[in-house]
Amino acid sequence: AQTVTQSQPEMSVQEAETVTLSCTYDTSESDYYLFWYKQPPSRQMILVIRQEAYKQQNATENRFSVNFQKAAKSFSLKISDSQLGDAAMYFCAYTPGRGNQFYFGTGTSLTVIP
Amino acid sequence: DAGVTQSPTHLIKTRGQQVTLRCSPKSGHDTVSWYQQALGQGPQFIFQYYEEEERQRGNFPDRFSGHQFPNYSSELNVNALLLGDSALYLCASSPPQGPNTEAFFGQGTRLTVV
Repeated sequence: AQTVTQSQPEMSVQEAETVTLSCTYDTSESDYYLFWYKQPPSRQMILVIRQEAYKQQNATENRFSVNFQKAAKSFSLKISDSQLGDAAMYFCAYTPGRGNQFYFGTGTSLTVIP
Repeated sequence: DAGVTQSPTHLIKTRGQQVTLRCSPKSGHDTVSWYQQALGQGPQFIFQYYEEEERQRGNFPDRFSGHQFPNYSSELNVNALLLGDSALYLCASSPPQGPNTEAFFGQGTRLTVV
């Protein structure tokens, strides 16, 4: 079974500080992709960052970076220099390399404190 | 580029009724997937359409059906609505022969069943 687990329902961070959101997944596939999506109150899922499982190097997009631990099946998101606009639900997601669907975690609600 | 557009944005239906939700994919995309996101949960895969055929289906009853048109737009139909069908319904599109990694999401349709 392919599952994605986010164990932090809620997190908060002071503006300009750093926060890390956790995600673990379970799969028997060797070829897959992992994602972090942001869902603000507007409801649209916005891609934050993507990691290919075959790449050892951790993905980075500006203030967002991941810590991908393949053996541990862990995929955490680090947000540096947090901004008020970062406040949203964050979903960790997985898709098999030849798959057609995303598997999502239950989400982490991030609050940014001014 | 308007991205993925969904209509309507909100909808209220009575238990037992039928509903149709619509999705127009991002320009250049030919594959459409539908997800159900219950309150406080991550999105769950309903099905995916490609070349006007249902290519893959998640664990949803036959009350959930879909259609894809020659212009790649898609409809999600739900019959005999239950209170538990109340959710945000998200549409995602992806490019020709593209992996799921290039998927874009719409803003969803909020369905309330009373």
